[in-house]
Amino acid sequence: DSGVTQTPKHLITATGQRVTLRCSPRSGDLSVYWYQQSLDQGLQFLIQYYNGEERAKGNILERFSAQQFPDLHSELNLSSLELGDSALYFCASSVGGDRGEQFFGPGTRLTVL
Amino acid sequence: AQKITQTQPGMFVQEKEAVTLDCTYDTSDPSYGLFWYKQPSSGEMIFLIYQGSYDQQNATEGRYSLNFQKARKSANLVISASQLGDSAMYFCAMRDLPNNAGNMLTFGGGTRLMVKP
Repeated sequence: DSGVTQTPKHLITATGQRVTLRCSPRSGDLSVYWYQQSLDQGLQFLIQYYNGEERAKGNILERFSAQQFPDLHSELNLSSLELGDSALYFCASSVGGDRGEQFFGPGTRLTVL
Repeated sequence: AQKITQTQPGMFVQEKEAVTLDCTYDTSDPSYGLFWYKQPSSGEMIFLIYQGSYDQQNATEGRYSLNFQKARKSANLVISASQLGDSAMYFCAMRDLPNNAGNMLTFGGGTRLMVKP
């Protein structure tokens, strides 16, 4: 158990819908990362927050947004969902903002029908 | 251009033998970090080992060691005394940002390791 929690574990929804994925980092970690794992794209970095502020941005679609709250938990919002958004979404956390090991949560498997 | 390359899509190893999983990387930044993660069939990503570009010695963590050859830009993972529980996908990843902002990881395509009893 990495100490990073993600809810829900599974999510099934329809095209055009909006969903919210939630992540709580390990105790003491200030950075939260979101990654997407799909069969065709592999593991891709989406976005990083450090102590409430956006730190780095990757291949995140405009339909996706994220935020980190004062208690350091983070939410990833996915809207206008498409079939191709079906993937395993991971949250990870680390102590610092610019280096260090990242510890991953169990992931949320999103299925868009 | 692909930054992390894992050329072995799948590998078999006999239980109790050692196995090397290959990883090559490409970066122009002198400061970078290399990571290995394990993903069992259950799906979670488990951190295994880390090597910094300025580290003088190869990283080791229990049965895992990293064969870091900087000039060749390779960071191969060596698993000694393989166990059935080592059967999983293994991902090599690199932290590399020229402006040093953030800690995003770029992952390779992974190697599926299967340990035979």
